[in-house]
Amino acid sequence: AQKITQTQPGMFVQEKEAVTLDCTYDTSDPSYGLFWYKQPSSGEMIFLIYQGSYDQQNATEGRYSLNFQKARKSANLVISASQLGDSAMYFCAMREGPRRDDKIIFGKGTRLHILP
Amino acid sequence: DTAVSQTPKYLVTQMGNDKSIKCEQNLGHDTMYWYKQDSKKFLKIMFSYNNKELIINETVPNRFSPKSPDKAHLNLHINSLELGDSAVYFCASSRDRGQFFGPGTRLTVL
Repeated sequence: AQKITQTQPGMFVQEKEAVTLDCTYDTSDPSYGLFWYKQPSSGEMIFLIYQGSYDQQNATEGRYSLNFQKARKSANLVISASQLGDSAMYFCAMREGPRRDDKIIFGKGTRLHILP
Repeated sequence: DTAVSQTPKYLVTQMGNDKSIKCEQNLGHDTMYWYKQDSKKFLKIMFSYNNKELIINETVPNRFSPKSPDKAHLNLHINSLELGDSAVYFCASSRDRGQFFGPGTRLTVL
């Protein structure tokens, strides 16, 4: 079974609209962390946001927020007021376990296209 | 003041050769990783080191050998390169709430 599922292989969104990228995860470990990364066409991996399983509030970083629904095992990324520069591949990832050197597993990614 | 750096950025080589990729981080992190990203963009962990000690060793052929001379460096040596080794290899280092990637090394095996 996949540990991280991103059901949207591709999305097209009009500039300035909000975007929600879906991510569901599967773990029985009570301690885990969830990450989102952006990979533009230039190829680098850019860390966007992190949510710990025990965090009480949803994580936010500028225009990025993580809609964490623990019971549903869902960790959707919301990008507000999308910009052309947001066009990229987005990866959801999970670290199972409390240690920072625990393995991180990535989803297959969602390619986001922002339309002018 | 690059956080995680890798060299080289591009590597083109013949099948059967041996090559190395170097990685350095100046973030003071204890944990470093190697990932492989295939042509379909799927990212998979290969190795992780914590303070020079091997922590994670996924089912990677033993032609791949990581070496960590100190906690700021994690190099990857690949023996007897095969066509299927062509991919982008990312080095990363981590703290508790984030993992930071190098720019990647695009390896092409001819």
